Amino acid sequence: KAGVTQTPRYLIKTRGQQVTLSCSPISGHRSVSWYQQTPGQGLQFLFEYFSETQRNKGNFPGRFSGRQFSNSRSEMNVSTLELGDSALYLCASSLVTSGGDTQYFGPGTRLTVL
Amino acid sequence: AQTVTQSQPEMSVQEAETVTLSCTYDTSESDYYLFWYKQPPSRQMILVIRQEAYKQQNATENRFSVNFQKAAKSFSLKISDSQLGDAAMYFCAYFPDRGSTLGRLYFGRGTQLTVWP
Repeated sequence: KAGVTQTPRYLIKTRGQQVTLSCSPISGHRSVSWYQQTPGQGLQFLFEYFSETQRNKGNFPGRFSGRQFSNSRSEMNVSTLELGDSALYLCASSLVTSGGDTQYFGPGTRLTVL
Repeated sequence: AQTVTQSQPEMSVQEAETVTLSCTYDTSESDYYLFWYKQPPSRQMILVIRQEAYKQQNATENRFSVNFQKAAKSFSLKISDSQLGDAAMYFCAYFPDRGSTLGRLYFGRGTQLTVWP
C-alpha cells in the first residue's frame, strides 16, 4: 500500500498571501489529522477530519482552515500568511478515530513565509 | 489537560549499546494509547511502537521495547543494539480513547538521539 502523500513538499510564500496544502491518506483510511511543527512550539494539532466532517480543531486562528473530500483526501488552507506560519506541516491518516488506531504520517510540507 | 513530558532533550549512545528514553504523561483517563515515533533528518515521522493502556504486557518490536508503568504514568523506550540508523528525534505521544479529543495525538517535545560509531 502506498503511504500518506503530501504535496507540495516545499513552498515559499510572502506575507499576506494564501496557501493550500494537500494530503492523500493511505487507501482505506478515512481520518486525516493535520499538525504544525516548529522549533519553538513543537508539534501542535490543527484539525482532524473524518468522512468529510471536521471533528476536532486545535487552538489556531481562523486563518487556518481545512476540508476533506469524498475520497478522504484533505486540504488545508492558510490565508493572509504571517512570518510565524513558517513551519513543517504534517498530515497523518488512520482507519478510524477511536479505538486508538495508529496515525501514519506523510513526509510533510515545508512552508517558508518571507 | 493531557500533557506529555520528555525530560531528556538529548541523549547519546555508542553503537551496539542500549539506551532508554523517558516519557511521562498526565491523564485522568483509564483507556488510552501510547506511541513512540522517530523523526530522522528527512523529517518523516515514523511509527516505532504502540502500547494499549489496558494491556499489562509491554510492547516489543524487534530491538525496540517499552516499559509501561500505568500507575506511575510512565512510558519509556528501550533501544537495544543501537545502530547508526537509529539516530533521530524521538517523540512520545498519547492518544485518548474517547471524548472531544478525537483524532488528536498529544506529543512530547522530543528527545534527540545521537548514535556514535
